Amino acid sequence: DAKTTQPPSMDCAEGRAANLPCNHSTISGNEYVYWYRQIHSQGPQYIIHGLKNNETNEMASLIITEDRKSSTLILPHATLRDTAVYYCIVRVGNTGNQFYFGTGTSLTVIP
Amino acid sequence: GAVVSQHPSWVICKSGTSVKIECRSLDFQATTMFWYRQFPKQSLMLMATSNEGSKATYEQGVEKDKFLINHASLTLSTLTVTSAHPEDSSFYICSAGASGGSGRSEQFFGPGTRLTVL
Repeated sequence: DAKTTQPPSMDCAEGRAANLPCNHSTISGNEYVYWYRQIHSQGPQYIIHGLKNNETNEMASLIITEDRKSSTLILPHATLRDTAVYYCIVRVGNTGNQFYFGTGTSLTVIP
Repeated sequence: GAVVSQHPSWVICKSGTSVKIECRSLDFQATTMFWYRQFPKQSLMLMATSNEGSKATYEQGVEKDKFLINHASLTLSTLTVTSAHPEDSSFYICSAGASGGSGRSEQFFGPGTRLTVL
Protein backbone atom coordinates (compact mmCIF):
# COMPACT_ATOMS: atom_id res chain seq x y z
CA ASP A 1 0.00 0.00 0.00
CA ALA A 2 1.12 3.56 -0.72
CA LYS A 3 2.67 5.24 2.28
CA THR A 4 2.65 8.77 1.01
CA THR A 5 0.21 11.68 0.84
CA GLN A 6 0.38 14.34 -1.85
CA PRO A 7 -1.91 17.18 -2.90
CA PRO A 8 -3.95 16.09 -5.92
CA SER A 9 -3.06 19.07 -8.09
CA MET A 10 -0.90 22.18 -8.28
CA ASP A 11 -0.26 25.00 -10.72
CA CYS A 12 3.03 26.77 -11.32
CA ALA A 13 3.95 29.70 -13.54
CA GLU A 14 6.47 28.96 -16.24
CA GLY A 15 9.98 29.93 -15.17
CA ARG A 16 9.15 29.85 -11.48
CA ALA A 17 10.15 27.18 -9.02
CA ALA A 18 7.68 24.37 -8.48
CA ASN A 19 7.62 22.99 -4.95
CA LEU A 20 5.82 19.68 -4.61
CA PRO A 21 5.23 18.43 -1.06
CA CYS A 22 4.92 14.86 0.14
CA ASN A 23 4.06 13.46 3.55
CA HIS A 24 5.45 10.09 4.58
CA SER A 25 5.00 10.08 8.34
CA THR A 26 5.33 6.29 8.69
CA ILE A 27 8.60 6.00 6.80
CA SER A 28 11.04 3.43 8.15
CA GLY A 29 14.70 4.03 8.79
CA ASN A 30 15.82 2.02 5.79
CA GLU A 31 13.31 3.42 3.31
CA TYR A 32 14.33 5.86 0.63
CA VAL A 33 12.15 8.62 -0.78
CA TYR A 34 11.80 8.36 -4.56
CA TRP A 35 10.24 10.81 -6.97
CA TYR A 36 8.97 9.88 -10.41
CA ARG A 37 6.84 11.72 -12.91
CA GLN A 38 4.52 10.51 -15.61
CA ILE A 39 3.69 12.50 -18.68
CA HIS A 40 0.41 11.52 -20.26
CA SER A 41 0.41 8.01 -21.78
CA GLN A 42 4.07 7.38 -21.05
CA GLY A 43 5.91 5.27 -18.51
CA PRO A 44 7.05 6.94 -15.29
CA GLN A 45 10.36 8.78 -15.45
CA TYR A 46 12.84 8.71 -12.58
CA ILE A 47 13.62 12.14 -11.11
CA ILE A 48 15.55 11.79 -7.88
CA HIS A 49 15.73 9.87 -4.63
CA GLY A 50 17.30 10.21 -1.20
CA LEU A 51 17.54 8.69 2.25
CA LYS A 52 17.99 11.59 4.67
CA ASN A 53 20.29 14.12 3.11
CA ASN A 54 19.09 16.68 0.62
CA GLU A 55 19.86 15.71 -2.95
CA THR A 56 20.25 17.63 -6.18
CA ASN A 57 20.67 16.55 -9.76
CA GLU A 58 20.21 18.08 -13.18
CA MET A 59 16.45 17.73 -12.98
CA ALA A 60 15.49 18.69 -9.46
CA SER A 61 16.31 19.06 -5.79
CA LEU A 62 14.94 16.91 -3.00
CA ILE A 63 14.59 18.38 0.46
CA ILE A 64 13.91 15.87 3.25
CA THR A 65 12.98 17.11 6.70
CA GLU A 66 15.18 16.15 9.61
CA ASP A 67 12.56 13.77 11.03
CA ARG A 68 12.11 12.32 7.49
CA LYS A 69 8.34 12.52 7.78
CA SER A 70 7.99 14.78 4.78
CA SER A 71 9.88 15.94 1.73
CA THR A 72 9.67 18.51 -1.05
CA LEU A 73 10.61 18.11 -4.67
CA ILE A 74 11.79 21.35 -6.21
CA LEU A 75 11.86 22.01 -9.93
CA PRO A 76 13.91 25.21 -9.98
CA HIS A 77 12.67 26.71 -13.24
CA ALA A 78 9.50 25.00 -14.38
CA THR A 79 8.83 24.71 -18.10
CA LEU A 80 5.71 23.65 -19.97
CA ARG A 81 7.31 20.23 -20.49
CA ASP A 82 7.29 19.69 -16.74
CA THR A 83 3.50 19.38 -16.80
CA ALA A 84 2.95 15.83 -15.52
CA VAL A 85 1.79 13.74 -12.59
CA TYR A 86 4.48 13.56 -9.92
CA TYR A 87 4.66 10.55 -7.63
CA CYS A 88 6.41 10.39 -4.28
CA ILE A 89 7.20 6.83 -3.19
CA VAL A 90 8.95 5.38 -0.18
CA ARG A 91 10.72 2.08 -0.50
CA VAL A 92 13.62 0.11 0.82
CA GLY A 93 16.58 0.73 -1.47
CA ASN A 94 16.78 -2.72 -3.02
CA THR A 95 16.17 -3.62 -6.64
CA GLY A 96 13.97 -6.52 -5.61
CA ASN A 97 11.46 -4.45 -3.71
CA GLN A 98 8.22 -3.21 -5.17
CA PHE A 99 7.10 0.33 -5.81
CA TYR A 100 3.59 1.12 -4.65
CA PHE A 101 2.26 4.26 -6.26
CA GLY A 102 -0.06 6.69 -4.53
CA THR A 103 -2.32 9.12 -6.31
CA GLY A 104 0.42 11.65 -7.06
CA THR A 105 0.24 15.39 -7.76
CA SER A 106 -0.87 16.64 -11.14
CA LEU A 107 1.36 19.64 -11.85
CA THR A 108 0.29 22.09 -14.51
CA VAL A 109 2.83 24.65 -15.64
CA ILE A 110 1.07 27.74 -16.88
CA PRO A 111 2.57 29.97 -19.61
CA GLY B 1 20.12 5.91 -17.37
CA ALA B 2 19.13 2.33 -18.04
CA VAL B 3 16.57 1.64 -20.75
CA VAL B 4 13.54 -0.61 -20.56
CA SER B 5 11.53 -1.32 -23.68
CA GLN B 6 8.10 -2.82 -24.22
CA HIS B 7 6.56 -4.44 -27.24
CA PRO B 8 4.08 -3.80 -28.64
CA SER B 9 3.40 -0.19 -27.77
CA TRP B 10 -0.27 -0.71 -28.48
CA VAL B 11 -2.48 -3.64 -29.38
CA ILE B 12 -6.12 -4.15 -30.25
CA CYS B 13 -7.60 -7.62 -29.93
CA LYS B 14 -10.93 -9.37 -29.96
CA SER B 15 -12.58 -10.55 -26.79
CA GLY B 16 -11.52 -14.07 -25.88
CA THR B 17 -8.09 -13.95 -27.46
CA SER B 18 -4.75 -13.87 -25.67
CA VAL B 19 -2.19 -11.09 -25.90
CA LYS B 20 1.50 -11.24 -25.03
CA ILE B 21 3.44 -8.16 -23.95
CA GLU B 22 7.23 -8.17 -23.79
CA CYS B 23 9.41 -6.19 -21.41
CA ARG B 24 13.15 -5.98 -22.03
CA SER B 25 16.01 -4.39 -20.15
CA LEU B 26 18.23 -3.21 -22.97
CA ASP B 27 21.54 -2.39 -21.32
CA PHE B 28 21.42 -4.14 -17.98
CA GLN B 29 20.34 -7.39 -16.44
CA ALA B 30 17.36 -7.57 -14.15
CA THR B 31 16.63 -10.53 -11.91
CA THR B 32 13.39 -8.86 -10.92
CA MET B 33 10.89 -6.99 -13.05
CA PHE B 34 7.51 -5.61 -12.12
CA TRP B 35 4.23 -5.35 -14.00
CA TYR B 36 1.74 -2.55 -13.45
CA ARG B 37 -1.67 -1.70 -14.82
CA GLN B 38 -3.07 1.78 -15.13
CA PHE B 39 -6.66 2.71 -15.92
CA PRO B 40 -7.53 6.17 -17.26
CA LYS B 41 -7.02 8.98 -14.75
CA GLN B 42 -5.82 6.53 -12.12
CA SER B 43 -2.45 5.71 -10.62
CA LEU B 44 -0.30 2.73 -11.42
CA MET B 45 -1.35 -0.46 -9.71
CA LEU B 46 1.24 -3.14 -9.10
CA MET B 47 0.09 -6.46 -10.53
CA ALA B 48 2.98 -8.81 -9.98
CA THR B 49 6.67 -9.27 -9.39
CA SER B 50 8.46 -11.23 -12.08
CA ASN B 51 11.44 -13.25 -10.89
CA GLU B 52 13.99 -14.69 -13.30
CA GLY B 53 13.95 -18.46 -13.22
CA SER B 54 11.09 -18.79 -10.77
CA LYS B 55 7.37 -18.19 -10.44
CA ALA B 56 5.99 -14.70 -10.34
CA THR B 57 4.51 -13.24 -7.20
CA TYR B 58 1.07 -11.74 -7.69
CA GLU B 59 -0.55 -8.94 -5.73
CA GLN B 60 -3.77 -9.64 -3.93
CA GLY B 61 -6.73 -9.68 -6.25
CA VAL B 62 -4.72 -10.31 -9.43
CA GLU B 63 -5.58 -13.61 -11.13
CA LYS B 64 -2.41 -15.53 -11.85
CA ASP B 65 -4.14 -17.79 -14.36
CA LYS B 66 -5.36 -14.83 -16.33
CA PHE B 67 -2.16 -12.81 -16.29
CA LEU B 68 0.64 -15.25 -17.07
CA ILE B 69 4.14 -14.01 -16.42
CA ASN B 70 7.32 -15.60 -17.70
CA HIS B 71 10.80 -14.33 -16.87
CA ALA B 72 13.00 -16.68 -18.82
CA SER B 73 16.12 -14.56 -19.00
CA LEU B 74 17.78 -11.69 -17.19
CA THR B 75 16.65 -9.24 -19.84
CA LEU B 76 13.15 -10.39 -20.76
CA SER B 77 9.86 -10.75 -18.98
CA THR B 78 6.54 -11.39 -20.70
CA LEU B 79 2.98 -10.79 -19.59
CA THR B 80 0.25 -12.75 -21.34
CA VAL B 81 -3.33 -11.63 -20.87
CA THR B 82 -5.33 -14.78 -21.48
CA SER B 83 -8.91 -14.77 -22.74
CA ALA B 84 -8.94 -11.01 -22.74
CA HIS B 85 -12.18 -9.14 -22.16
CA PRO B 86 -13.06 -5.46 -22.55
CA GLU B 87 -12.50 -4.83 -18.83
CA ASP B 88 -8.85 -5.85 -19.35
CA SER B 89 -8.37 -2.84 -21.59
CA SER B 90 -5.73 -0.77 -19.87
CA PHE B 91 -2.21 0.64 -20.00
CA TYR B 92 0.30 -2.01 -18.96
CA ILE B 93 3.71 -0.89 -17.76
CA CYS B 94 6.75 -2.88 -16.72
CA SER B 95 9.79 -1.83 -14.73
CA ALA B 96 13.18 -3.22 -13.83
CA GLY B 97 15.65 -2.25 -11.17
CA ALA B 98 19.29 -1.31 -11.59
CA SER B 99 21.71 -0.90 -8.76
CA GLY B 100 23.42 2.37 -8.09
CA GLY B 101 26.18 3.01 -5.61
CA SER B 102 26.05 2.71 -1.83
CA GLY B 103 23.12 0.28 -1.86
CA ARG B 104 20.84 2.66 -3.67
CA SER B 105 18.78 1.46 -6.57
CA GLU B 106 16.66 2.99 -9.26
CA GLN B 107 13.63 1.56 -10.94
CA PHE B 108 13.37 2.14 -14.68
CA PHE B 109 10.02 1.96 -16.39
CA GLY B 110 9.08 0.91 -19.87
CA PRO B 111 7.04 3.19 -22.14
CA GLY B 112 3.90 1.13 -21.58
CA THR B 113 1.59 -0.94 -23.77
CA ARG B 114 -1.94 0.21 -24.49
CA LEU B 115 -4.27 -2.78 -24.70
CA THR B 116 -7.75 -2.38 -26.15
CA VAL B 117 -10.05 -5.39 -26.13
CA LEU B 118 -13.06 -5.15 -28.41
